[in-house]
Amino acid sequence: DTGVSQDPRHKITKRGQNVTFRCDPISEHNRLYWYRQTLGQGPEFLTYFQNEAQLEKSRLLSDRFSAERPKGSFSTLEIQRTEQGDSAMYLCASSTSGANYGYTFGSGTRLTVV
Amino acid sequence: EDQVTQSPEALRLQEGESSSLNCSYTVSGLRGLFWYRQDPGKGPEFLFTLYSAGEEKEKERLKATLTKKESFLHITAPKPEDSATYLCAVQGSGGSNYKLTFGKGTLLTVNP
Repeated sequence: DTGVSQDPRHKITKRGQNVTFRCDPISEHNRLYWYRQTLGQGPEFLTYFQNEAQLEKSRLLSDRFSAERPKGSFSTLEIQRTEQGDSAMYLCASSTSGANYGYTFGSGTRLTVV
Repeated sequence: EDQVTQSPEALRLQEGESSSLNCSYTVSGLRGLFWYRQDPGKGPEFLFTLYSAGEEKEKERLKATLTKKESFLHITAPKPEDSATYLCAVQGSGGSNYKLTFGKGTLLTVNP
């Protein structure tokens, strides 16, 4: 297992289009997180899954955002009707439960909305 | 609400010039304080977790320390390859005890 994988690495889309990102966590990690990071800022929490259950969504996650984790394995994050303000790095991370270990982050998907 | 403030925002050092980065935090019950390194265009890379005041951890030229209100990341005799953004994050024992709250980071540049 080589870590957390995210696809694509970069995405350029026109305003109003829908985009979907994929995250493959470390296989033995049952917790999966999505964060968003804009230039000069630290990552901000978006949502959290334990196995296949989505247990929390941040206020940052508007109705245009939806995330899934079918069968508790990979996860997808979809943004509908993209806006220029959605341009950011979308980071996925995974961890084990039961202890406050640090997450393992993926390399992120850089979204640019033009 | 958990908060993390990092200083300075940017730090430029000469190779071999030791210094420290600061992370001040407020949290309702600290479960852990985390340091990450982030290179441009990449995700954060885990460095350390500190759990209680007085704890210290070291890795190569980096040493992290923790008090009840702040953490320091000491960099001894840095090299150009230590150039990166260093992020601090806290995990509290409140309702969302799995969530990390990050600071904005310190951009470290080490000149040869």
